[in-house]
This record gives sequence, C-alpha cells and structure tokens, in this order.
Amino acid sequence: EAQVTQNPRYLITVTGKKLTVTCSQNMNHEYMSWYRQDPGLGLRQIYYSMNVEVTDKGDVPEGYKVSRKEKRNFPLILESPSPNQTSLYFCASSFFRDRGSYGYTFGSGTRLTVV
Amino acid sequence: AQTVTQSQPEMSVQEAETVTLSCTYDTSENNYYLFWYKQPPSRQMILVIRQEAYKQQNATENRFSVNFQKAAKSFSLKISDSQLGDTAMYFCAFMKHTGANSKLTFGKGITLSVRP
Repeated sequence: EAQVTQNPRYLITVTGKKLTVTCSQNMNHEYMSWYRQDPGLGLRQIYYSMNVEVTDKGDVPEGYKVSRKEKRNFPLILESPSPNQTSLYFCASSFFRDRGSYGYTFGSGTRLTVV
Repeated sequence: AQTVTQSQPEMSVQEAETVTLSCTYDTSENNYYLFWYKQPPSRQMILVIRQEAYKQQNATENRFSVNFQKAAKSFSLKISDSQLGDTAMYFCAFMKHTGANSKLTFGKGITLSVRP
C-alpha cells in the first residue's frame, strides 16, 4: 500500500530534551515536506526537500532541523523543544510528472506536547 | 507570496442536502494547482479534489465538485447528497505549478457538520 508513515503518533516530552519524528514514504517521491497544524492557523510548512541531500526552509523553520540522506526518509529533529512547538505535525510527499502534480500524500500526523 | 482565505469557520448541513464551501486566494502566478483536503476526526489529511488552473473545466469527483473562477480567484467546493461521513474540517490549498518549493499554502479551514 502506497503510504507515508510517521512515528510516533503521540509524544509528550519536556522542554529541552532532543527528539526526532521519523517519516518514511514508499512511493519513490522526490518531494517531501513537514507541516505543522495549529488551531486557527491551518497548516504551515516547516521544511521541504526536493531530493536526497537537498533541503530548504519553509515558512516556520525556527527550532527545527531536517535531513534527507535517503530518498524515502525525511526525519524532523527538534534539538531543544519548547512549549511553543506543541502542535500537530504532518509529513507529506509528492511528485511531478510532466505537467501534472497530484498534490501531497500525508502521513497520519504526530501530536507533540512539550511541557 | 500566495494567500488562501476561507472566511467561514463553521458550517452545518442536513444529511442528503447540498452545501458549498467557499475559498478565495491571491496570487500573481498564472499556472498553479488548487486542492481541497478533508480532515476527519481521525486527523488524516485526505485529498478530495484537485484543479489545474490552466483547465477551464471544473473538476468533479463523485459527489464533490468545484466552481473555479480564475479571474475572481475563487475556488468553492460543492458537496452533493451530504453524508454523515462528510463531517470533517476542510482545507483549501494552493500550489505553484513550478519552482523549487512545491509547497502547499493552506487556508485556515472550515468545520463542516452534517446533521442526521
């Protein structure tokens, strides 16, 4: 089954304790991206990657890091989490073929609480 | 920069009736994509329908159709024969056709409740 897999689904952590949210896709997509969803703000892009070893900042990158060492994996790293990073996080992947894009396929989300 | 506006925070509809969700956007791009995503209580983001800006014909997917007005920069979603399973939050989203970052720019979403 074609899918984007995120882990964990729920995470409660303390301020300052480094954490990683994993993301993997099995569709051979070039593009991968991380979004955070907050009430009243919709989803906002954190980081994106066009391909292996190619990453760049989105709209709200502060406090986050990413890496793309393999095409299928795109982990999100919070080196020193703070309470304002409490949010619902989504990983998503996509591809372009000729003139077509079918939009992003999203993972199931990770609910992160930083206390 | 692109912006997407969903001005209605909540809507309610009776089962089996039709409802229209509004979305407007602002862009200087000529080629782009527009999407509606559904987020049920399970919080999964599900693609409902997509529209390519260079196509004049409105997209349809079973009970879901859009009214795409490029000049007015309007992209509304019509749900016909509403079902209880349509209860969800719906997001309108914009994506540029080309460029290094194929990011989705989302509206703030609208919560749709279908009443039995």
